[in-house]
Amino acid sequence: ETGVTQTPRHLVMGMTNKKSLKCEQHLGHNAMYWYKQSAKKPLELMFVYSLEERVENNSVPSRFSPECPNSSHLFLHLHTLQPEDSALYLCASSQEGLDSPLHFGNGTRLTVT
Amino acid sequence: QQQVKQSPQSLIVQKGGISIINCAYENTAFDYFPWYQQFPGKGPALLIAIRPDVSEKKEGRFTISFNKSAKQFSLHIMDSQPGDSATYFCAARTGTASKLTFGTGTRLQVTL
Repeated sequence: ETGVTQTPRHLVMGMTNKKSLKCEQHLGHNAMYWYKQSAKKPLELMFVYSLEERVENNSVPSRFSPECPNSSHLFLHLHTLQPEDSALYLCASSQEGLDSPLHFGNGTRLTVT
Repeated sequence: QQQVKQSPQSLIVQKGGISIINCAYENTAFDYFPWYQQFPGKGPALLIAIRPDVSEKKEGRFTISFNKSAKQFSLHIMDSQPGDSATYFCAARTGTASKLTFGTGTRLQVTL
């Protein structure tokens, strides 16, 4: 496996369910990110972990809970979501430093019913 | 202040034509301007990037033009090909990658 891998690719959940999104990076990077992508909107940065510490949390509702157990793995725990949370959730990684690009996974398409 | 405004929202170009996507920003602290390309079912991937100390950067058929005084930058795709059909996002950053601000995206379709 190379790059950034996200599972599952698709997820349908009810508003009362609890589920988790998983991300794994095989690039040796030291920073990982969760982005939300909705149609006709800019990519929204949700969380940033640098060296396994959360360094940014952009006013994301508490029904989204990130976890970064090590520099290669990132989770997004979901509970009691709303239909407006339906979107593509993208994980990315980078090596902290100037001009280091973000490497994105292919995303999890989440539908909340 | 943190927004990056991107236009057009969608673009149809004939094969061999020039595709032009424009972005504008307000925050003069932005110091790095990447473009990302996203194919259906895939995550965005870095295409080309520029720093504000140069006015143009070219990589193959892709060129970024940067106008610091106007606070605008644009992506030009020369000799557009059907394989270029994708969504393109401009972005801007201050400091580390965590401060990347994205535009709303342009869906490009290159027709035969």
